[in-house]
Amino acid sequence: GQSLEQPSEVTAVEGAIVQINCTYQTSGFYGLSWYQQHDGGAPTFLSYNALDGLEETGRFSSFLSRSDSYGYLLLQELQMKDSASYFCAVTMNTGFQKLVFGTGTRLLVSP
Amino acid sequence: GAVVSQHPSRVICKSGTSVKIECRSLDFQATTMFWYRQFPKQSLMLMATSNEGSKATYEQGVEKDKFLINHASLTLSTLTVTSAHPEDSSFYICSARAIPGTGGPSPHGYTFGSGTRLTVV
Repeated sequence: GQSLEQPSEVTAVEGAIVQINCTYQTSGFYGLSWYQQHDGGAPTFLSYNALDGLEETGRFSSFLSRSDSYGYLLLQELQMKDSASYFCAVTMNTGFQKLVFGTGTRLLVSP
Repeated sequence: GAVVSQHPSRVICKSGTSVKIECRSLDFQATTMFWYRQFPKQSLMLMATSNEGSKATYEQGVEKDKFLINHASLTLSTLTVTSAHPEDSSFYICSARAIPGTGGPSPHGYTFGSGTRLTVV
């Protein structure tokens, strides 16, 4: 089976930096993505890593270590609107390259 | 940008009836579509993968006779929840992968519909 573990909840204040970790065990691997989902909404793509290292996209950065089966999402200069659920997801290199989601982390940003 | 239109956004049905959910890629061709189910405060669980012109591939534990998937064209996939029961109440979301060169969605190829909130009473 596939396993992608994340912390269930993270809290932080506006302007702070927060890191959300993801450890995975999957039978195949193309890359690791990160999605944001507000309550009742669809997931929104944030970042993708196929190779080891850091990818930076504005206030969001994502890191991947394939040898450690580990990645993280770094959110800087937190804003209230960043309060949402964040999911890591593995693109499988088997079958139809399906996307398997992590357990999800609920981020609460306070003033 | 690439858009996936999902309808209806919200549906309430009586127990025992069937509900059809449509997912349509508007400006690109989707070789593969994925259907997910999400219960409150939980993750997205992949139900099945559909490919145009072939049978869907279901994940372990998902009843293929209950969740009928049809991928009739490169822009349309449907999920029908048959004989719905209250425990089928959930948020259903589709996702599409583009055929390369037809106007791809996000950088690594997936675009999500806006989801369907199904309530079975």
